[in-house]
Amino acid sequence: GAVVSQHPSRVICKSGTSVKIECRSLDFQATTMFWYRQFPKQSLMLMATSNEGSKATYEQGVEKDKFLINHASLTLSTLTVTSAHPEDSSFYICSASDGGGATDTQYFGPGTRLTVL
Amino acid sequence: RKEVEQDPGPFNVPEGATVAFNCTYSNSASQSFFWYRQDCRKEPKLLMSVYSSGNEDGRFTAQLNRASQYISLLIRDSKLSDSATYLCVVKEKGGSQGNLIFGKGTKLSVKP
Repeated sequence: GAVVSQHPSRVICKSGTSVKIECRSLDFQATTMFWYRQFPKQSLMLMATSNEGSKATYEQGVEKDKFLINHASLTLSTLTVTSAHPEDSSFYICSASDGGGATDTQYFGPGTRLTVL
Repeated sequence: RKEVEQDPGPFNVPEGATVAFNCTYSNSASQSFFWYRQDCRKEPKLLMSVYSSGNEDGRFTAQLNRASQYISLLIRDSKLSDSATYLCVVKEKGGSQGNLIFGKGTKLSVKP
């Protein structure tokens, strides 16, 4: 099956720093990548949808200037949490879709656990 | 906001038990339906898609009732390894632009 990787798997940073998370589709070209966030005991919430070579579409309530998304190639999307604060501590998960038509499965990365001190 | 609602759980069952999870969704235009499982501190993994005709995969049976906007998952002969959180997931648009709407999940704990 399709494999999606994320890096880093865990990061701890000081308040005010920026953190970049990478999401890669390893064996397929991802026309669309999705970024989700999950707080403890909550459901995954979509943050934004990105298509290769175009600007990301952000969900309501997600600050585009704080969560910078770049989808520069068909196998890589990055999420940068700028000036991170403790309330940004969460589990960030990406998924990738190959746009394969009717089946169109999203393949999830293993997630990145961010802790902001 | 469109919602997916699930049984609150948790479900604590002995090995070998049969357990059923229910889920309702609010958007009647939803197009695709799935059950995912998520282990503690891990990413969700697709368990099975759900079709109107109902479908079965080994010990797992999923049902969809579009008229009632209701989805179910039945697990027979529970194993210890079935312990996880089960997420009901709905896709509202077709094609790769459709994002997934996740329920909060129902936690299952299978005891020896």
